Amino acid sequence: GNSVTQMEGPVTLSEEAFLTINCTYTATGYPSLFWYVQYPGEGLQLLLKATKADDKGSNKGFEATYRKETTSFHLEKGSVQVSDSAVYFCALSDRAGGGNKLTFGTGTQLKVEL
Amino acid sequence: DTAVSQTPKYLVTQMGNDKSIKCEQNLGHDTMYWYKQDSKKFLKIMFSYNNKELIINETVPNRFSPKSPDKAHLNLHINSLELGDSAVYFCASSQETGEQFFGPGTRLTVL
Repeated sequence: GNSVTQMEGPVTLSEEAFLTINCTYTATGYPSLFWYVQYPGEGLQLLLKATKADDKGSNKGFEATYRKETTSFHLEKGSVQVSDSAVYFCALSDRAGGGNKLTFGTGTQLKVEL
Repeated sequence: DTAVSQTPKYLVTQMGNDKSIKCEQNLGHDTMYWYKQDSKKFLKIMFSYNNKELIINETVPNRFSPKSPDKAHLNLHINSLELGDSAVYFCASSQETGEQFFGPGTRLTVL
C-alpha cells in the first residue's frame, strides 16, 4: 500500500534559519504530492503541491520538488519566521478505486524561536 | 465566508453514548471526507462520499456511520462511544480529485 515517511520532530530553529523537512513516499502509479500545515488549534491548510515528476510547488517562501527517482518531496524554506511554527504534514493523493484518498506522514512539528 | 464548517468544535461525552458530528461545505464540491487525527497527530482517512455515494470506507468499526443527505453535507454518527474514539475529527471536501479543503476539526473526548 501507499505510505509517506517524514522526519521526526520536533524541529527547533532560530528565526531566519534554513529549514528542511524530509519526506519520502511509497506508491504505485503516479501520485500527486502535498504539504499541509496545521497551526495550533486549527485545521489543515494546503501549503503547496506538485502533480508530476520534477514539478516544484511553492508558496509563502516554502518550496518542494517532486523527485520521482528518489521518491522524495522535501520541504524547504530559506529563512523561517516565528509565525511558521506549526505542524507540517507531507501527503500523497491516491486516486485508485475512483476515490481521492490522502495518505499522510506522521507530521513534523516546527518551533521557531527568536 | 466559511468554506468547510463543522459542529460542534468540542464534544465531551461518556462511554457508551451515541453522538453526531456535522459537516457542511459551501464550495460546491462533489466529494467530502472524514479524517481522524489521533493524540500523536497522525491523520488517517475514514470515509469519502462522492455525490452522496460512499466511495472510500477504510477499516473503521461499524459503530461509525457516515450519512450524506446532500452534496454539501456529510455527517458522522458514532454509536456506543469508546475511550479510543477520543481524537480530533476533520471533515474535508474537494472537487473530484482536486485539492482537499479541511474544516477546523471537532475534538471528541470520551470519558
